[in-house]
Amino acid sequence: AQSVAQPEDQVNVAEGNPLTVKCTYSVSGNPYLFWYVQYPNRGLQFLLKYITGDNLVKGSYGFEAEFNKSQTSFHLKKPSALVSDSALHFCAVRDRGGSYIPTFGRGTSLIVHP
Amino acid sequence: DAGVIQSPRHEVTEMGQEVTLRCKPISGHNSLFWYRQTMMRGLELLIYFNNNVPIDDSGMPEDRFSAKMPNASFSTLKIQPSEPRDSAVYFCASSAGESYNEQFFGPGTRLTVL
Repeated sequence: AQSVAQPEDQVNVAEGNPLTVKCTYSVSGNPYLFWYVQYPNRGLQFLLKYITGDNLVKGSYGFEAEFNKSQTSFHLKKPSALVSDSALHFCAVRDRGGSYIPTFGRGTSLIVHP
Repeated sequence: DAGVIQSPRHEVTEMGQEVTLRCKPISGHNSLFWYRQTMMRGLELLIYFNNNVPIDDSGMPEDRFSAKMPNASFSTLKIQPSEPRDSAVYFCASSAGESYNEQFFGPGTRLTVL
């Protein structure tokens, strides 16, 4: 079985400050991990993914995420937040040896204040 | 590429009516997913197709819901009869090949059942 937890419903940060959106996962084997962003009235858009190799993954819009196997985490980060980053962010996991169906977290609403 | 195409973008109907939602996945993608998103329950997987074959429909709420994929470029989700609790945003997503590939989401269909 696979699962994802996003412990924060909402994250508030001031523009220009660093941001972190948390994600922890559980899989039987090794994971493929994904972050998606959803802007109002839009579908989810892919941001970045971890497959293998370097634990620090860089993606779209200046976002990055760090895979930590010992803590089973894949937190999304950005060094300097923009107001335009305000959106709903989803973490997702697939077990490499398991189903093609990903499991999504409930989403974290990121609000960046001017 | 135009991305995943969904129609209609908005649908308002009365309880008891039949509703058909349509999806055209990205050309070459062999996996297709239907999701439903509500404030209360978040993002829910309804059904997953691989190479036009339904693989997992355990998320389909009840017999009122049915989905088909007659060919690689078209899928439908039908609700008959519709009920007010079916009101939600329905997303179609497609992905290619391996399970480490990300999903591409359509813009969604906002369904309101009166």
